[in-house]
Amino acid sequence: SYVLTQPPSVSVAPGQTATITCGGNNRGSKSVNWYQQKPGQAPVLVVYDDGDRPSGIPERFSGSNSGNTATLTINRVDAGDEADYYCQVWDSPNSQVVFGGGTKLTVL
Amino acid sequence: QVQLVESGGGVVQPGRSLRLSCEASGFTFSSYGMHWVRQAPGKGLEWVATMSYDGDNEYYADSVKGRFTISRDDSKKTVFLRLNSLRPEDTAVYYCARDDYYGNSRFEYWGQGTLVTVSS
Repeated sequence: SYVLTQPPSVSVAPGQTATITCGGNNRGSKSVNWYQQKPGQAPVLVVYDDGDRPSGIPERFSGSNSGNTATLTINRVDAGDEADYYCQVWDSPNSQVVFGGGTKLTVL
Repeated sequence: QVQLVESGGGVVQPGRSLRLSCEASGFTFSSYGMHWVRQAPGKGLEWVATMSYDGDNEYYADSVKGRFTISRDDSKKTVFLRLNSLRPEDTAVYYCARDDYYGNSRFEYWGQGTLVTVSS
């Protein structure tokens, strides 16, 4: 089955830029979505189709895709961004949704 | 505004069954695919099942195929998940989520989840 690989944790100082990667074989043709989940809350879609933002999501959140790696970038990080972040794709050959293992973002 | 409210969770013994419900409001339910996603305690998100907007297509994770069944009742604006032959590893918070209008399998809106605990 298809696998998405994320780093377990990323740490960043307030005001700096956080980058979270999501890797997968032959990922290039699959659009990637990103979710933010804070403790005790349901996930929230923050980026879809590799780099688009739903309404209400700050411009500080952006996404990109290059080769087999998708990246979520959060500019000017603040304490409110501390959360788990998950990437997700639709694996069409197997008709399955796949989530990455998640990355815990810590704001130092 | 879009709302999704899950119910039906609880404590159940291994091998038994449970039915989860997710009642939707704030959008034209019959136009959207619906999903179930679960999260075991302290673990990541795991997709469980998907039903297309018209009910013609359903998809399942390998871990639940043959044991879980997704269904929908558009008249009640509700999506269901029937959980049979439950195992301790099915213990999780179960979320329902709504797809985008074009069925791109992305989760635009989520409910708050319902906890299922499988234990003797």
